[in-house]
Parts: sequence; C-alpha cells; structure tokens
Amino acid sequence: GAVVSQHPSWVICKSGTSVKIECRSLDFQATTMFWYRQFPKQSLMLMATSNEGSKATYEQGVEKDKFLINHASLTLSTLTVTSAHPEDSSFYICSARPHSGRAGETQYFGPGTRLLVL
Amino acid sequence: GNSVTQMEGPVTLSEEAFLTINCTYTATGYPSLFWYVQYPGEGLQLLLKATKADDKGSNKGFEATYRKETTSFHLEKGSVQVSDSAVYFCALPNSGYALNFGKGTSLLVTP
Repeated sequence: GAVVSQHPSWVICKSGTSVKIECRSLDFQATTMFWYRQFPKQSLMLMATSNEGSKATYEQGVEKDKFLINHASLTLSTLTVTSAHPEDSSFYICSARPHSGRAGETQYFGPGTRLLVL
Repeated sequence: GNSVTQMEGPVTLSEEAFLTINCTYTATGYPSLFWYVQYPGEGLQLLLKATKADDKGSNKGFEATYRKETTSFHLEKGSVQVSDSAVYFCALPNSGYALNFGKGTSLLVTP
C-alpha cells in the first residue's frame, strides 16, 4: 500500500515551453502533497506545500508564477513549470502525506520526474 | 527551525565492512526521525524511522537509534553489500510537516 506515482518519469522539452508533472496517491487520500527539487549530487529542497482545495505555500526563493501548483483532489497534485529554461532542468520529486497522518507520520515519495530543458 | 546535519561522503567500503553514517539533529521537541535511501536514477525510499527518543528503527540490516542526549540518529549496518551502494539521507519534519533533508551521503561498496 501507500504508493505514489508521478507522470511523466522523463521529459525533454524546448526552452520556452511549459511542462506539467502529475503526482498521484494511488491507494490513499492525501490532504497535503509536497514538491521537492533535486539538483545532481545534491539534497532535496522543498519547493512548495500543496493543500487540497487551497493555494499552495511556496518556499522562499521559489517563483509561484513559474511553478504553478494545483491540488484539485485528495489524490492528485500537479506542478506546471511555465516557460521552462535550461536552469529549470532538475529532478522533481513529490511526496504525499496521508489524510489521517499526524505530525511526523511517514510521507510517501513518488519516483521522481527528470526534466531536461534544451 | 528543525534541521539535520549528516556526514558528507563519498564513503567507499569493501563488501562485508561495517558502516556508520553520522546524523545529528536540531529540533523543537522530539520529532520523528527518518533515513531515506536513493538508488542511482531513482526516487527516495524510506529505509527506517524512529518516532520517539530511544526508539531503534531497523530494516534490511540497517539500524539507527534515536538518542536525545546526543541529538543523534546515526545509521549503521554490520556487513554491507554491493547492492547497498546508494545515497542515504537523514531527515526530520519541519513545522509544516514537509521533510528537511541532510545533504546526503553517497556510499559505494566494492566487491
């Protein structure tokens, strides 16, 4: 149980285009989903917290107009990288916190989406 | 805010050697502590966790004990295998329940 999927797993796009990444909790409901970004050989950095039915909360330094987050249901959150540029190339990972989770409850991570902007 | 500091690698060991990866934390209260593993080209997998002081998390031969007196959660394994080669992250939740990760420790186990 507790599986989180991401789609696509790999995407290559041209500079200036927009890319949408989906994060789904397959067998549980997630009130909260998190989006992280990982550059090569570095740690994961939290980009934003996505709450179902409300606006996402972005970390300092993350442009909300560039990284659009929508959490339309308890099982789906999407991250859209708008007008992507080569510096947006990275590994994007989502995680989902179960609806019934108390503070510190295990989060479940998706397999990640590798974005390459040419 | 809550944070973790873990030893930086890379760590290179021979198969069957003993592994220790140090992790210390700074936190308000006593949050759960986690170790995640990332195999090459993959996402994160939860390796083990401990939810309160003196708890020992264990999985696949790995262990870590939540020690509040030393604010540590060191990862250990008695005999590593080549298949353990990966990057290991220590983590703890922040006030918003997202996880704060250490910088990661790369482990390479050679035959």
